[in-house]
Amino acid sequence: AQSVAQPEDQVNVAEGNPLTVKCTYSVSGNPYLFWYVQYPNRGLQFLLKYITGDNLVKGSYGFEAEFNKSQTSFHLKKPSALVSDSALYFCAVRDDSGYSTLTFGKGTMLLVSP
Amino acid sequence: NAGVTQTPKFQVLKTGQSMTLQCAQDMNHEYMSWYRQDPGMGLRLIHYSVGAGITDQGEVPNGYNVSRSTTEDFPLRLLSAAPSQTSVYFCASSRRMASGNTIYFGEGSWLTVV
Repeated sequence: AQSVAQPEDQVNVAEGNPLTVKCTYSVSGNPYLFWYVQYPNRGLQFLLKYITGDNLVKGSYGFEAEFNKSQTSFHLKKPSALVSDSALYFCAVRDDSGYSTLTFGKGTMLLVSP
Repeated sequence: NAGVTQTPKFQVLKTGQSMTLQCAQDMNHEYMSWYRQDPGMGLRLIHYSVGAGITDQGEVPNGYNVSRSTTEDFPLRLLSAAPSQTSVYFCASSRRMASGNTIYFGEGSWLTVV
């Protein structure tokens, strides 16, 4: 069975500092990895995904994520955090079978202080 | 662009009542799914469909029914509401179930069962 772990319930960072939100995964076969963001009382918005190719994936709002196969990780990063980045972030994984549903982590709350 | 539309946004039910959460997408997506979001548990898959007339169970299907009579619509039925079904429900869709396709979410339906 596939699974996703987001080890931090909450990440605190000051505005202007770099941020990292951690994600590790477990799948049979090759992973397809996604990051979503959820603002209060809203649905999930797609940020970026890794399918194949370059291990560094760039997405919306200046976010990027690095796929590391040996460490089974897909950490979300941003060089300079904004207060408006404060939200709930979800990592998700599918395998490459073509019949796999999307499995989510429990989410990490990112709080960016002014 | 409407995308994935869910109704109602908010609903309060009494224990034992039944109701249907509506979901419609205008992107001609084959794959649709329902998730529930509970604090500290991330998103869990309830049911999904890979096309009109085809549905399957996800991780937490008990107490819910679905049908897919058209490509556009994927309603979720609560047969006899229980307080444990108090949650936020998200409908999602993607072009196909194939692994690389991005899944797009609706804005959510907040359900309280008293």
